[in-house]
Amino acid sequence: GDSVTQMEGPVTLSEEAFLTINCTYTATGYPSLFWYVQYPGEGLQLLLKATKADDKGSNKGFEATYRKETTSFHLEKGSVQVSDSAVYFCALSDQTGGFKTIFGAGTRLFVKA
Amino acid sequence: DADVTQTPRNRITKTGKRIMLECSQTKGHDRMYWYRQDPGLGLRLIYYSFDVKDINKGEISDGYSVSRQAQAKFSLSLESAIPNQTALYFCATSDPTSGSWNEQFFGPGTRLTVL
Repeated sequence: GDSVTQMEGPVTLSEEAFLTINCTYTATGYPSLFWYVQYPGEGLQLLLKATKADDKGSNKGFEATYRKETTSFHLEKGSVQVSDSAVYFCALSDQTGGFKTIFGAGTRLFVKA
Repeated sequence: DADVTQTPRNRITKTGKRIMLECSQTKGHDRMYWYRQDPGLGLRLIYYSFDVKDINKGEISDGYSVSRQAQAKFSLSLESAIPNQTALYFCATSDPTSGSWNEQFFGPGTRLTVL
């Protein structure tokens, strides 16, 4: 079945550091890929998405590129802020799976001032 | 006002008790989901409903049941709560026909503790 694997956390960075959170997937069809963010005490919210190969999703300085050849969707940000501290989830949604969403385990990010 | 609401936000109960968690949405979406979040395990799907007459089991449905009372309401029940059901529970909605590629819209969560 479909699955998502993302790097284990926690990830601790200093403010203005470069962030990469790795995500790889397996899917039988042609999934859409997502990054969700969960701030403390809140539900998940969509951060960015990409719906086909080579698409780049971007939002709030975060970017991720849909790489079909490496089945990856790594999240990057050039300069993190304390306010980026949260848990980040990689996810996929595949039409062949009835559009159910499969989530990775989540990566907690701590950003120090 | 929030588009997806959950009640209660926090609940502490005892082993063997029946518990109902409620979810309401104003987004007009047909699809609704219940997830469970545990540390290190991400979100796991308990049940999902593609419309009022459609209920489907997810990967961890044992010990849970659901009711879709209307398009806007989807309730999760624990018939006899046990301690390993202590977790954070999220309701979500989606509309894959809207061009949003099945983006999920989440409620704020219910933290359930079973003693």
